[in-house]
Amino acid sequence: DIQMTQSPSTLSASVGDRVTITCRASQSISSWLAWYQQKPGKAPKLLIYKASSLETGVPSRFSGSGSGTEFTLTISSLQPDDFATYYCQQYNSYPWTFGQGTKVEIK
Amino acid sequence: QVQLQQWGAGLLKPSETLSLTCAVSGGSFSGYYWSWIRQPPGKGLEWIGEINRSGSSNYNPSLKSRVTMSVDTSKNHFSLKLNSVTAADTAVYYCARGQKMSGYYPRTFDYWGQGTLVTVSS
Repeated sequence: DIQMTQSPSTLSASVGDRVTITCRASQSISSWLAWYQQKPGKAPKLLIYKASSLETGVPSRFSGSGSGTEFTLTISSLQPDDFATYYCQQYNSYPWTFGQGTKVEIK
Repeated sequence: QVQLQQWGAGLLKPSETLSLTCAVSGGSFSGYYWSWIRQPPGKGLEWIGEINRSGSSNYNPSLKSRVTMSVDTSKNHFSLKLNSVTAADTAVYYCARGQKMSGYYPRTFDYWGQGTLVTVSS
């Protein structure tokens, strides 16, 4: 299985901050990486697919980059609605696997 | 707008069989893979497996021996059965739309069900 490792596990930030979350794959996954946002009690929501493509309706302050084994999710200016847990997920090879999550908390 | 509505028993005893169904509306059922994903309380996401309209499936090897997925194309439903459950199977279970079977559509898990909490307890 491809292991996905996110860092940090928890991130404390303020409204307006630029936030970066890193996701590393245990082997190359090309650009087959997605990012999700999850709020308590809700299903995850797709933010980014194929490493850098913004899902329809997602604010442009979210962006993704990377390829191979190292990827980043950036929120350019953190908004109150962005406090949530973020997951990366590879869909290069079975079984599809997720990172352990990064919780973005209010500082 | 694609919608996924899921249901199933929420409380099971150890050794029983978990059974969930997901109904798809508002979009094409035939052209995609349909997945089940679970999340233990306070923990991360685990992909269980997927199935397409023809019944072709892929399962996570960690659960493969206990999982069966099926599809009812007449109702646009797909289902999950997980047998011999234990407390470790306690989780919120989600259904989700996966990748498109043909044509360029590089998204995955773009639509999700509302989730069903399944608790295994004696």
